[in-house]
Amino acid sequence: GAGVSQSPSNKVTEKGKDVELRCDPISGHTALYWYRQRLGQGLEFLIYFQGNSAPDKSGLPSDRFSAERTGESVSTLTIQRTQQEDSAVYLCASSLALGTVNTEAFFGQGTRLTVV
Amino acid sequence: RKEVEQDPGPFNVPEGATVAFNCTYSNSASQSFFWYRQDCRKEPKLLMSVYSSGNEDGRFTAQLNRASQYISLLIRDSKLSDSATYLCVVTPLGGYQKVTFGTGTKLQVIP
Repeated sequence: GAGVSQSPSNKVTEKGKDVELRCDPISGHTALYWYRQRLGQGLEFLIYFQGNSAPDKSGLPSDRFSAERTGESVSTLTIQRTQQEDSAVYLCASSLALGTVNTEAFFGQGTRLTVV
Repeated sequence: RKEVEQDPGPFNVPEGATVAFNCTYSNSASQSFFWYRQDCRKEPKLLMSVYSSGNEDGRFTAQLNRASQYISLLIRDSKLSDSATYLCVVTPLGGYQKVTFGTGTKLQVIP
């Protein structure tokens, strides 16, 4: 597709269940980011993938959170044993590699996760 | 110190007013700077890049002050439709370091 695609757009899950969120970046974009945004709050960095380099996981809030990316394509963010405080919009963004002319980051529309 | 800092606001301004936001960054080696706009319950989208010499796009003016390590966004003749959260973005000098987003400044333009 032309833009960053995220699925599902909405997810309601019971506390304690695992969830998997998917991000399909723009073709050719080597950089991929996951952010969390709680209602009325700013973006909270979670994890960053750049090509085949080791990901920057410094923003992951706990070991219940993990993410994978296969090459320069789809990424999945997994939250295990979900808690109510995990309720937020999870945004994915992708961009060309740094050092190229245009490193604008494009965002997907997000996955709204509600843990009940 | 946070890598990128913004006043969260909200800035409540009347229509037609001029409003300015600043954003400070801690990494002096930062290379590129952007302002993004995020509407309520929407994803952030690029508003404008910030060039070293400063740049203007209609009612919007972006400035970079490398000596003091901040960027600014000036909005003239505010419209109701300018109500949004404005995020500043800082990109490091090449390599594999990540782009850093500020947490945003909320602007509410009131009639």
